[in-house]
Amino acid sequence: KNQVEQSPQSLIILEGKNCTLQCNYTVSPFSNLRWYKQDTGRGPVSLTIMTFSENTKSNGRYTATLDADTKQSSLHITASQLSDSASYICVVSAGGGSYIPTFGRGTSLIVHP
Amino acid sequence: NAGVTQTPKFQVLKTGQSMTLQCAQDMNHEYMSWYRQDPGMGLRLIHYSVGAGITDQGEVPNGYNVSRSTTEDFPLRLLSAAPSQTSVYFCASSYSNRAKETQYFGPGTRLLVL
Repeated sequence: KNQVEQSPQSLIILEGKNCTLQCNYTVSPFSNLRWYKQDTGRGPVSLTIMTFSENTKSNGRYTATLDADTKQSSLHITASQLSDSASYICVVSAGGGSYIPTFGRGTSLIVHP
Repeated sequence: NAGVTQTPKFQVLKTGQSMTLQCAQDMNHEYMSWYRQDPGMGLRLIHYSVGAGITDQGEVPNGYNVSRSTTEDFPLRLLSAAPSQTSVYFCASSYSNRAKETQYFGPGTRLLVL
C-alpha cells in the first residue's frame, strides 16, 4: 500500500530560526513529490514540485530536497516568519497511469515572535 | 482570475438529505478533482475528471456522484448524506495531470451531517 509519513507531527520555533520537515514515502512507481502549505481554514497552496530527476527545488525561503533512492524528502524553511505558521503537506503521486495521489498527514508549524 | 471557487462555504445537513457542492474554475484547466480532509488524516481523492464528459473514481468514491458537462464546472453530489461524510471538501484544478503541473485548490466547503 502506498504511504506517506511526515515528521514531526508538530513543531514550534522562534521567528527568524530555520527548520526542516521530513517526508518518507513508499509510493511506487514514483512520479512526483509535492509540498503544499495550508493555512488554517484555507485550501493547500503549492510550494514545490519535484520529479525523479530533480533532487532540489527552491521557492523563496522554502527549499525542498528529494532522495529517490532512500524515498525521502525534506522541506527546509529559512529565516522563519510568523506567516509561516501553517500545516505543511507532502504529497507523492505514482506513475503508471495512476491518478490517485497519496497525501501525508502534514506537519503543523507554529512560529512564535 | 478568480481561480477555483467553491460554494457553499459551510453547510449543515440532516442524515438522508442530498445536496450538491459547487466547484468552478476560470483558468481553462482540463483536470479537476474533489478531495475530503478529515482530522488526523491526509486528503483523500473522491472523484476526478480529465476533461469535459470524462470522470473517474478516486480513493473514496462511495456516496458521491460527479459530472463534468463543461470545462469550468465540476459539481459533487451527495446522494443521501451520512454522518461519516462530515468533512471539509476541497476542489482542485490543474491544466493537466502531468507530473510538473501545479494544482490549485479552492477554499473548501465545510460540511456537517447530523
